[in-house]
Amino acid sequence: GAVVSQHPSWVICKSGTSVKIECRSLDFQATTMFWYRQFPKQSLMLMATSNEGSKATYEQGVEKDKFLINHASLTLSTLTVTSAHPEDSSFYICSAQDRGTYGYTFGSGTRLTVV
Amino acid sequence: DAKTTQPTSMDCAEGRAANLPCNHSTISGNEYVYWYRQIHSQGPQYIIHGLKNNETNEMASLIITEDRKSSTLILPHATLRDTAVYYCIVRVVSGGYQKVTFGTGTKLQVIP
Repeated sequence: GAVVSQHPSWVICKSGTSVKIECRSLDFQATTMFWYRQFPKQSLMLMATSNEGSKATYEQGVEKDKFLINHASLTLSTLTVTSAHPEDSSFYICSAQDRGTYGYTFGSGTRLTVV
Repeated sequence: DAKTTQPTSMDCAEGRAANLPCNHSTISGNEYVYWYRQIHSQGPQYIIHGLKNNETNEMASLIITEDRKSSTLILPHATLRDTAVYYCIVRVVSGGYQKVTFGTGTKLQVIP
């Protein structure tokens, strides 16, 4: 079945530094990738949608200069949290839409802790 | 906003069938019903999806009412490993861009 690899699975960084999270579709081409954030005991909150080769579309209230999204190929999207602060600590999850089946597959998530 | 409503939590005895309901009264004719589950600190896992007919796979069965305004996910013999949050979402299946938003889901606790 379709597999999405998300890396790293967890990361601890200092305040003010930047962190890059990768999302790869391993056995399919992804026309669209979605990035979610999830706080403890809450549901997934959509942050942004990225289409290969074009700028990401951000949800209301999500700072595009802080959460940089790049979708340079049909198999890779990256989310960079710039100048991270403790309140950015969260579980970040990506999802990729299969170009052929239109199914959505989720990555395993990245636990970000900013200290 | 999420287009579905689900009970916040449910318990089920191990070995029994778990029936998880979902209301999607504003579903459009071209929207499918998808079910995912999320085990603690993992990404959501696909379970099953359907348009109007009932569906079954190795994990679960999906029963969709005739008017398509609600559905039920059935785990025929729940195990402790089925303890998770179950999300019901509706979406169009196409190559076009469509946001997928999640509601609060149902936290299923399977009890020994």
